[in-house]
Amino acid sequence: SQTIHQWPATLVQPVGSPLSLECTVEGTSNPNLYWYRQAAGRGLQLLFYSVGIGQISSEVPQNLSASRPQDRQFILSSKKLLLSDSGFYLCAWTAKETQYFGPGTRLLVL
Amino acid sequence: AQRVTQPEKLLSVFKGAPVELKCNYSYSGSPELFWYVQYSRQRLQLLLRHISRESIKGFTADLNKGETSFHLKKPFAQEEDSAMYYCALSEDSNYQLIWGAGTKLIIKP
Repeated sequence: SQTIHQWPATLVQPVGSPLSLECTVEGTSNPNLYWYRQAAGRGLQLLFYSVGIGQISSEVPQNLSASRPQDRQFILSSKKLLLSDSGFYLCAWTAKETQYFGPGTRLLVL
Repeated sequence: AQRVTQPEKLLSVFKGAPVELKCNYSYSGSPELFWYVQYSRQRLQLLLRHISRESIKGFTADLNKGETSFHLKKPFAQEEDSAMYYCALSEDSNYQLIWGAGTKLIIKP
């Protein structure tokens, strides 16, 4: 069966520090992968999606970037975090029309 | 532009009462619509999809193309139904979803 992992679960970082959140998928090959930010009262904001290795589409220009160095690995990064980057970040993959979500990473930027 | 609207941020009903979570959409093509649910301390997960025409945990949702709605309904709410519910629309072949803002459902004992 397919499994999606995210780490870390919680992260507290100072403003201006770098960020790296990792997402890996098991049990499937060449999945579509997604990074979302979930904000209370605002639903899910799609940040990036990827249809293959090295293929990244950005939905919202901001202080973040994404990379897909391997088929089942999706990384969300920032060179310098801002206070506004605080939030709950979700990774997801797609099997046909259904999206399967990871447990999420709660990021607090101080 | 494609959009999914969930007009209620919060819905609170008593146990045993009927529940209806509203979802309206705007889309130029033939939509595929979904309801996702996130229980406390659990992952966001698919609840149901309109093409399946199934009832999950007593919930049903009917696509009404005339009213462009996909409301989620349950005749008798249970306390374990308390959760965050998101309506979503599938946009294209990349299976990107357009999400509503979500409705927090609280079932009072």
